[in-house]
Amino acid sequence: GAVVSQHPSWVICKSGTSVKIECRSLDFQATTMFWYRQFPKQSLMLMATSNEGSKATYEQGVEKDKFLINHASLTLSTLTVTSAHPEDSSFYICSARDEIAGETGELFFGEGSRLTVL
Amino acid sequence: GQNIDQPTEMTATEGAIVQINCTYQTSGFNGLFWYQQHAGEAPTFLSYNVLDGLEEKGRFSSFLSRSKGYSYLLLKELQMKDSASYLCAVKDSNYQLIWGAGTKLIIKP
Repeated sequence: GAVVSQHPSWVICKSGTSVKIECRSLDFQATTMFWYRQFPKQSLMLMATSNEGSKATYEQGVEKDKFLINHASLTLSTLTVTSAHPEDSSFYICSARDEIAGETGELFFGEGSRLTVL
Repeated sequence: GQNIDQPTEMTATEGAIVQINCTYQTSGFNGLFWYQQHAGEAPTFLSYNVLDGLEEKGRFSSFLSRSKGYSYLLLKELQMKDSASYLCAVKDSNYQLIWGAGTKLIIKP
């Protein structure tokens, strides 16, 4: 199947700093990527849909000025958590759909990035 | 509103069979997915159903009844490595994925 790579896997930062997470589709082009957040023992929560060359679409309740998404190319989307606070500590996961090869529309997930804000 | 229901937790014995149910109420239906997620890892794709019936893939099978808004994931010959959370997700009329909360499956020797 298609491969999505996410970096970094783990990040610890101080409160008030910003953290950037990268999501790359390695062997396919993705016009759309999805960013999820998952708190312990809870399901995935879609934060935003990242669209190549245009603005991201944010889910209700997600602050677009706090979670900056950039999708500058067909293989790279970035999520920047600005002025991070301890409550932002979570598991952030990106996913993408191989729209050409993926007949089922299955999502391919990155490895996830565990953010801990001290 | 849109809703996906699945049991929070299930326990089964190594070598046995377990069925994880998922019921859904969504605005439209364009397919149902099952994903497996080990603790601390991202989900991995298991199966996709868009037509009624049973799809078999090795030890795992997935069933769909669109009229009942119901699916199940059947795991046979359980192995310890099958201990994970199993997520049910439905693609609605807008092709958005609606996720269930996941079922944590515990396998005992």
